[in-house]
Amino acid sequence: DVKVTQSSRYLVKRTGEKVFLECVQDMDHENMFWYRQDPGLGLRLIYFSYDVKMKEKGDIPEGYSVSREKKERFSLILESASTNQTSMYLCASSLSSGPGDIQYFGAGTRLSVL
Amino acid sequence: QQQVKQSPQSLIVQKGGISIINCAYENTAFDYFPWYQQFPGKGPALLIAIRPDVSEKKEGRFTISFNKSAKQFSLHIMDSQPGDSATYFCAANTGFQKLVFGTGTRLLVSP
Repeated sequence: DVKVTQSSRYLVKRTGEKVFLECVQDMDHENMFWYRQDPGLGLRLIYFSYDVKMKEKGDIPEGYSVSREKKERFSLILESASTNQTSMYLCASSLSSGPGDIQYFGAGTRLSVL
Repeated sequence: QQQVKQSPQSLIVQKGGISIINCAYENTAFDYFPWYQQFPGKGPALLIAIRPDVSEKKEGRFTISFNKSAKQFSLHIMDSQPGDSATYFCAANTGFQKLVFGTGTRLLVSP
């Protein structure tokens, strides 16, 4: 079974803090993704990575950065957290880049920025 | 247009009934259309998917109907069960595994 593990289920941070969200997958997948999920907006892609040290902007990258130093780990970084970044963050991974490849999701990290 | 429009936002169906969720898109370059199911406290999980050269795909009680000319696709859940109560997202692949998701439909199947 593919397992995508997000290190925290809940996080509470202060405005202006630097926040790290960590994601690890155990199936040697090439691709990893970060989404945010908001009610009424669905899932929106923040960043994705198709190889170690490679990253591509998604649809809403502003205010975020990412790091992928090892194949199994993909980190989302909020350089200076703001209240409008309060959301559910979902990490996903997929084996390769074919359109039919399944994206497997973690359980999510609910981040509150106060 | 990189959007996928999903309706309804919420749906209540009696046990044994048919649940229907609709999605529409504009970008004819989309090449793969998955549906994801999400239970509370869990991440989304792939339910069923279809390619645009196929008009229908069925897996058990779940069927995708795809109308390429109308740029619409829908999920049908036959004999809906309380265990199907979840949020459903349609999506479209824009290339290189970049998925655009619909806004989600919260389904409640009443016993």
